[in-house]
Amino acid sequence: GAVVSQHPSRVICKSGTSVKIECRSLDFQATTMFWYRQFPKQSLMLMATSNEGSKATYEQGVEKDKFLINHASLTLSTLTVTSAHPEDSSFYICSAREYGQGYTFGSGTRLTVV
Amino acid sequence: AQRVTQPEKLLSVFKGAPVELKCNYSYSGSPELFWYVQYSRQRLQLLLRHISRESIKGFTADLNKGETSFHLKKPFAQEEDSAMYYCALGSGGGADGLTFGKGTHLIIQP
Repeated sequence: GAVVSQHPSRVICKSGTSVKIECRSLDFQATTMFWYRQFPKQSLMLMATSNEGSKATYEQGVEKDKFLINHASLTLSTLTVTSAHPEDSSFYICSAREYGQGYTFGSGTRLTVV
Repeated sequence: AQRVTQPEKLLSVFKGAPVELKCNYSYSGSPELFWYVQYSRQRLQLLLRHISRESIKGFTADLNKGETSFHLKKPFAQEEDSAMYYCALGSGGGADGLTFGKGTHLIIQP
């Protein structure tokens, strides 16, 4: 079945620095990938839709300059959290969908900003 | 606006008892509904989607457009069913992300 790989699984960074998270579709091509955020004991919230070769579409309330998304190829999307602050600490999850199938999720990245 | 409601935060049943996890949705178009399961410390896994009408691990779910519901059912719960269950709504076509419910933590007691 479809597999989505997400890296790193855990990252700790200093306040003010930037962090990049990678999401790869391993055995299928994904023109569209999705980025979610999950706060502790809460559900997933869609942050943005990443489109290969074009600009990402952000959900209302998500700062596009804070969360930079690049979808440079059919198998890779990256989310960069810029100038991270403690309130950006969260669990970030990516997802992609193989044609005709359900959405497949990565294993998530636990970001801690200190 | 799309919305998914899972009214039960926590559901505890005994092994062998029937299970029903409730899910209601609000969407003006033609919905695509999913159930995802998340076992402890693991990633979200697709359990069911309404289009395929499959039964996975003994679970079934029927889309009721009149009641705007997509409840998840299993006739006899097993201990390994203990997990977090999320109902999710898509707009169809796969171009948009999913709207998730808040999730139901299912605990199966021995």
